[in-house]
Amino acid sequence: DTGVSQDPRHKITKRGQNVTFRCDPISEHNRLYWYRQTLGQGPEFLTYFQNEAQLEKSRLLSDRFSAERPKGSFSTLEIQRTEQGDSAMYLCASMETGGNQPQHFGDGTRLSIL
Amino acid sequence: GQQLNQSPQSMFIQEGEDVSMNCTSSSIFNTWLWYKQDPGEGPVLLIALYKAGELTSNGRLTAQFGITRKDSFLNISASIPSDVGIYFCAGSARNRDDKIIFGKGTRLHILP
Repeated sequence: DTGVSQDPRHKITKRGQNVTFRCDPISEHNRLYWYRQTLGQGPEFLTYFQNEAQLEKSRLLSDRFSAERPKGSFSTLEIQRTEQGDSAMYLCASMETGGNQPQHFGDGTRLSIL
Repeated sequence: GQQLNQSPQSMFIQEGEDVSMNCTSSSIFNTWLWYKQDPGEGPVLLIALYKAGELTSNGRLTAQFGITRKDSFLNISASIPSDVGIYFCAGSARNRDDKIIFGKGTRLHILP
């Protein structure tokens, strides 16, 4: 069990560029969640997957955001045409449905928009 | 939407003191969780609570799931320097597999 892994840890990009983040959950965890955390706030839910199916999306997930989990293992979160307000920490978490442990979080990808 | 009100926002204490923080909600939660987050890292689970009235300890940490299902508290006894960080209460309203709603955090500072 190597924990939830996120890549990259930091991303700096110019406004208007597209960015993609990757999350590798704990192996055999069928649920994968994405959260966004801005400075001084708690994480806010964006979306989650059960296996490869995306089951819920928050209103925070505008049409510039897209998440995938094509094989039910790793997931990607893409932001198109980035804006200043997208600057945040993007956290991924995973868990096993029906298991006795709640969500385990990765260390996040910190996105900075210039 | 659902919100968690966490207090206090920050605390300044002397090493060795006990700490208490709490969280309230206007709606019922079926799971209460307490996480700690250090700078540049993701939240790390401290305690999970699944039953109303449940009182659970993890070393020097103790947390309770309120009887009304609308509140929870976390106590830390005999604080040490490594307790510094941000503590988040969190909960899920439906089942334990559900998305988590987080409070805004309590920032704990320990004075030398």
